[in-house]
Amino acid sequence: AQTVTQSQPEMSVQEAETVTLSCTYDTSESDYYLFWYKQPPSRQMILVIRQEAYKQQNATENRFSVNFQKAAKSFSLKISDSQLGDAAMYFCAYRPPPGGSQGNLIFGKGTKLSVKP
Amino acid sequence: DAEITQSPRHKITETGRQVTLACHQTWNHNNMFWYRQDLGHGLRLIHYSYGVQDTNKGEVSDGYSVSRSNTEDLPLTLESAASSQTSVYFCASSLGYLGEQYFGPGTRLTVT
Repeated sequence: AQTVTQSQPEMSVQEAETVTLSCTYDTSESDYYLFWYKQPPSRQMILVIRQEAYKQQNATENRFSVNFQKAAKSFSLKISDSQLGDAAMYFCAYRPPPGGSQGNLIFGKGTKLSVKP
Repeated sequence: DAEITQSPRHKITETGRQVTLACHQTWNHNNMFWYRQDLGHGLRLIHYSYGVQDTNKGEVSDGYSVSRSNTEDLPLTLESAASSQTSVYFCASSLGYLGEQYFGPGTRLTVT
């Protein structure tokens, strides 16, 4: 069974600094998608960034970027120039390839990020 | 604007009662999902549907049921609520496999 592991229950970063959140996953598939979701105190789930496994280039969205290491099954999220509004729970998620699945997500347990002013 | 809504946003019920949580989306998405979120567990898949009349069990489906009679709605029913089902429930939808999964605002359910 596929699993997603976030080994850091909590992280803290100073405003304007850079922080990296870790995520590893277990799968025997070669074609899949990975995601980072942000959940602020409002509880709304917000997609931050996505990575297709067949792409070697790491995805980037403004201050958010990933370090995707397919062989190591690692998918970390780097937040640059951290802002107070980045404080939230962050979830790493894996989506199996199509076929038996049509988009089900498997989530890690989350990392709570605090941003200090 | 298209959206996905859940109702109620908060619900308190007693053990043994039947409870139905509503999910309605106006994206015209074929795929719909129900997750529960608990401390220390992240989000776990309860049930999902790939279209009208299609339903499938997820990782934690015991004690829950869904039905899909139209594209817009996927209600989640707790047949006999248990305290272990106290949780926050999220509905989501997507357009096919490649579509982004959009989440509703969540329903906090407390079973006393």
